Amino acid sequence: GENVEQHPSTLSVQEGDSAVIKCTYSDSASNYFPWYKQELGKRPQLIIDIRSNVGEKKDQRIAVTLNKTAKHFSLHITETQPEDSAVYFCAASIAGNTPLVFGKGTRLSVIA
Amino acid sequence: DTAVSQTPKYLVTQMGNDKSIKCEQNLGHDTMYWYKQDSKKFLKIMFSYNNKELIINETVPNRFSPKSPDKAHLNLHINSLELGDSAVYFCASSRAGVDTEAFFGQGTRLTVV
Repeated sequence: GENVEQHPSTLSVQEGDSAVIKCTYSDSASNYFPWYKQELGKRPQLIIDIRSNVGEKKDQRIAVTLNKTAKHFSLHITETQPEDSAVYFCAASIAGNTPLVFGKGTRLSVIA
Repeated sequence: DTAVSQTPKYLVTQMGNDKSIKCEQNLGHDTMYWYKQDSKKFLKIMFSYNNKELIINETVPNRFSPKSPDKAHLNLHINSLELGDSAVYFCASSRAGVDTEAFFGQGTRLTVV
């Protein structure tokens, strides 16, 4: 089955700096790669996703890149703000066929 | 309207008891899931239900059993609770096909004492 590795497990950045979180996956059939943000005591919520027919996707300060050959994808957050502090999860699945398999999460702290 | 709702939000119970967590979604999704989030925040898939059929069952103890009375509900029954079952349990749902964003419920924090 799918295995998703995520790094780093914790990340501290100064406000205004960029943050990068990286994930690798094992199943070459996976074609859907979402990123979830989980604030303390809350549910995970989708912030951005990418499908295997696209190499990069942006939404304001957030971007995701995908390298299918290397089987890795990354989340980039620019101009970080304190409210970006949360746990971020990457995930992978075969869209419509398998459930999301999550990485172990990255605790991002943005220091004001 | 809450898209995916689960009850109760908190559940404290003694070892050996049997408990249930309910989940309902009003999104018209055809697939529902249960995830377990342990103290280290790892999110692990437990069950996946599609059109009332269990399609994936991870290696969870058979004390855990999902029950789906209809497409909008997927309840989780746990028998003979153990201390190690303490965790946050999330229900989620998605639609089959290309648009497969999973929507999560608010979670149920289960504490076994």
